[in-house]
Amino acid sequence: NAGVTQTPKFRVLKTGQSMTLLCAQDMNHEYMYWYRQDPGMGLRLIHYSVGEGTTAKGEVPDGYNVSRLKKQNFLLGLESAAPSQTSVYFCASSSRQYTEAFFGQGTRLTVV
Amino acid sequence: LAKTTQPISMDSYEGQEVNITCSHNNIATNDYITWYQQFPSQGPRFIIQGYKTKVTNEVASLFIPADRKSSTLSLPRVSLSDTAVYYCLVEVSNYQLIWGAGTKLIIKP
Repeated sequence: NAGVTQTPKFRVLKTGQSMTLLCAQDMNHEYMYWYRQDPGMGLRLIHYSVGEGTTAKGEVPDGYNVSRLKKQNFLLGLESAAPSQTSVYFCASSSRQYTEAFFGQGTRLTVV
Repeated sequence: LAKTTQPISMDSYEGQEVNITCSHNNIATNDYITWYQQFPSQGPRFIIQGYKTKVTNEVASLFIPADRKSSTLSLPRVSLSDTAVYYCLVEVSNYQLIWGAGTKLIIKP
């Protein structure tokens, strides 16, 4: 049972490049989340999804897009990377609201 | 708008009880308070959750006073492996997830 798996684990991008981060969960969870974590700032919610085919904006959605075409996958896209998007990105999933969320191992993204 | 505030760091010794307090103003009656633990290069891991009075599980207790303006995570008899960053999270009813900046807990032998 893998839980929540993020791909890739590390990535370096040049300013203006695009990329997609993949999150996969095998727990049949309805809810999925993308966060970014910056030093001294805790976690900030980028986008979330409450079910297959649905997405919604979180606290810091600008510069990111997401898709949830399959229940088990949640994709985070950066269309034109900026240095301000250098961060550690975490995906999480939960069975419903107000319950334990399970996190992936994170993706460390550097934009130069 | 709810906001969470927690101490930046704390030190303690093996075998001691550690209490970490999180302040959260403007939370509603049905907002949940959750605590997570995070080790370096790993994602956060759930510890405990509640929304009133006291909750206890096999690893921690969570105390929430009647006014709900704060909550305290209590770790009994800590060990060196409890050295980690601890996050307080307030889950608001309209899908707002308000995380504290984290408390770095260092346990000394």
